[in-house]
Amino acid sequence: DAKTTQPNSMESNEEEPVHLPCNHSTISGTDYIHWYRQLPSQGPEYVIHGLTSNVNNRMASLAIAEDRKSSTLILHRATLRDAAVYYCIRIRGNTPLVFGKGTRLSVIA
Amino acid sequence: NAGVTQTPKFRILKIGQSMTLQCTQDMNHNYMYWYRQDPGMGLKLIYYSVGAGITDKGEVPNGYNVSRSTTEDFPLRLELAAPSQTSVYFCASSYEGNNEQFFGPGTRLTVL
Repeated sequence: DAKTTQPNSMESNEEEPVHLPCNHSTISGTDYIHWYRQLPSQGPEYVIHGLTSNVNNRMASLAIAEDRKSSTLILHRATLRDAAVYYCIRIRGNTPLVFGKGTRLSVIA
Repeated sequence: NAGVTQTPKFRILKIGQSMTLQCTQDMNHNYMYWYRQDPGMGLKLIYYSVGAGITDKGEVPNGYNVSRSTTEDFPLRLELAAPSQTSVYFCASSYEGNNEQFFGPGTRLTVL
């Protein structure tokens, strides 16, 4: 039970921003939200994580709703190399990651 | 740093054979994990370890065994291979449980 809900698939045009949503309505106060992505034929790679505040790094931005029941991963300019499955994962304490099916992002040139 | 390395990359087993999938990390991480990924599905946790000498079951441990005698190595043993174990196996490591996990390139196993 991944305890998060994501759309099965999304599509974006190259060079445009992409907003990938995730619902985690049963989140508790100390749960972190992590995002990973998996490129074709590769292992998952870490993208970003956050607790309450919005977070930015070189790969993406993470916007967390004020009530923390949802979050959005933002890719500012999608490239063909961003085509992947994106996983939103809720982590409680030191418990291991539980992967759902994620969102398959297609990027159109 | 090589990160997380896995061997072999590919393997074909006959039903009933056994094998060990190797995983090594050089980042001095405490936590190590084994996942399997069936086609079109997300990853499922098989076993994990929070340090040398300590292992625990994940979601799908049946048919597998692990050991963690050193910080660096976390081998996964398949006894009596079955077609249901045909999958891609990923090893991962992290410094602590809620830190970024680093994944290996995977081992593609087919059981015929």
